[in-house]
Amino acid sequence: DIQMTQSPSSVSASIGDRVTITCRASEAIDNWLAWYQQKPGKAPKLLIYRISSLQNGVPTRFSGSGSGTDFTLTISGLQPEDFATYYCQQANSFPLTFGGGTKVEFK
Amino acid sequence: QVQMAESGGGLVKPGGSLRLSCAVSGFTFSDYYMSWIRQAPGKGLEWISYISDNSGTKYYADSVKGRFTVSRDNGKSSLYLQMNTLTTEDTAVYFCARWQLDRFDYWGQGALVTVSS
Repeated sequence: DIQMTQSPSSVSASIGDRVTITCRASEAIDNWLAWYQQKPGKAPKLLIYRISSLQNGVPTRFSGSGSGTDFTLTISGLQPEDFATYYCQQANSFPLTFGGGTKVEFK
Repeated sequence: QVQMAESGGGLVKPGGSLRLSCAVSGFTFSDYYMSWIRQAPGKGLEWISYISDNSGTKYYADSVKGRFTVSRDNGKSSLYLQMNTLTTEDTAVYFCARWQLDRFDYWGQGALVTVSS
């Protein structure tokens, strides 16, 4: 199974900050990497797929990058609605696996 | 617009069974692969099952293999998860999600399953 490791597990930030979340796969996953945002009591929401493609309707302050085993989600200019937990997910092989999550909290 | 709604959650005793349903609208259900994903209280996301558009391919996480069965009825635009031999470790919110090639692009609101004596 491919393990997905996210860091940090939580980050404290202020409005307007640039936030970077890292996701590392236990083996190469080509470009099969997606990012989701989840707010308390809600379903996850797709933000980015195939490393860097923005899902329709997602603000452009969200961006993704990386290759091979190391990937990054960046929020450029944190907004109040961005305080949430973020998950990466690999689609290279079954079982599909998610990272453990990164909670973005208000500083 | 796309709508997905799970139902059938509730409280069940260890060793019991439960069947979840996911009714969808707003897209041609028979064109899409689907999945179930769960989230234990305060924990992260765990993918548990996947079914192809024509039910010809099914995958399961090891944690539920042999106990859970995914199925679908394209005529009713509905996805199902039959859960047997439940344990307390199965307590979670269960989400149905649409699979779009390599990502889950739409999710239901989730159904809470609590396994407790």
